[in-house]
Amino acid sequence: SAVISQKPSRDICQRGTSLTIQCQVDSQVTMMFWYRQQPGQSLTLIATANQGSEATYESGFVIDKFPISRPNLTFSTLTVSNMSPEDSSIYLCSVLGLAGGPSSYNEQFFGPGTRLTVL
Amino acid sequence: DQQVKQNSPSLSVQEGRISILNCDYTNSMFDYFLWYKKYPAEGPTFLISISSIKDKNEDGRFTVFLNKSAKHLSLHIVPSQPGDSAVYFCASRPSGTYKYIFGTGTRLKVLA
Repeated sequence: SAVISQKPSRDICQRGTSLTIQCQVDSQVTMMFWYRQQPGQSLTLIATANQGSEATYESGFVIDKFPISRPNLTFSTLTVSNMSPEDSSIYLCSVLGLAGGPSSYNEQFFGPGTRLTVL
Repeated sequence: DQQVKQNSPSLSVQEGRISILNCDYTNSMFDYFLWYKKYPAEGPTFLISISSIKDKNEDGRFTVFLNKSAKHLSLHIVPSQPGDSAVYFCASRPSGTYKYIFGTGTRLKVLA
């Protein structure tokens, strides 16, 4: 499996500001995703981060609120824009498929998460 | 519409006994199933998976059973250990996609 790191691990932000979360993988991966886990809830897919093109967003999530970048096969960022207390969640990066070699497109691996609190 | 359901929000088991975590799904097109364990303040850790063409997969103390006709899967942990105390999520995806849908989780507490 890949080693996935996220920065920051946690943050407390003021309403109306924006936060960018970074996800770094130690090997090239084909697919990267961003999830959200609100308090007491399940994991909800926000979007698929596509290398070199616009992310693919799930229903209920829009690019203006959650802009995503993926400049290469090992790195992605998620920005939470114009934050409100309802954005307080754990944000998780996940990956699927190690590129350039034998790969599995079945098992999905997660980063440690970023715990965001919006006041 | 919750396509993947974990109807038991919590479960307590004595150390050394079997823990059985259940998961139901509604979409007959789901073809792959995953189980994750999640500790507080950490990301989910992949545990075990099963393809829809199988009915059982075993890895050490963890066994997953799939009953396609009932659209039900279960995770068995034998013997349970205090370090197994965590929230367990099941996840599945429709055939032809890479997007997993997660259940709401079951909090397992293994009592020493």
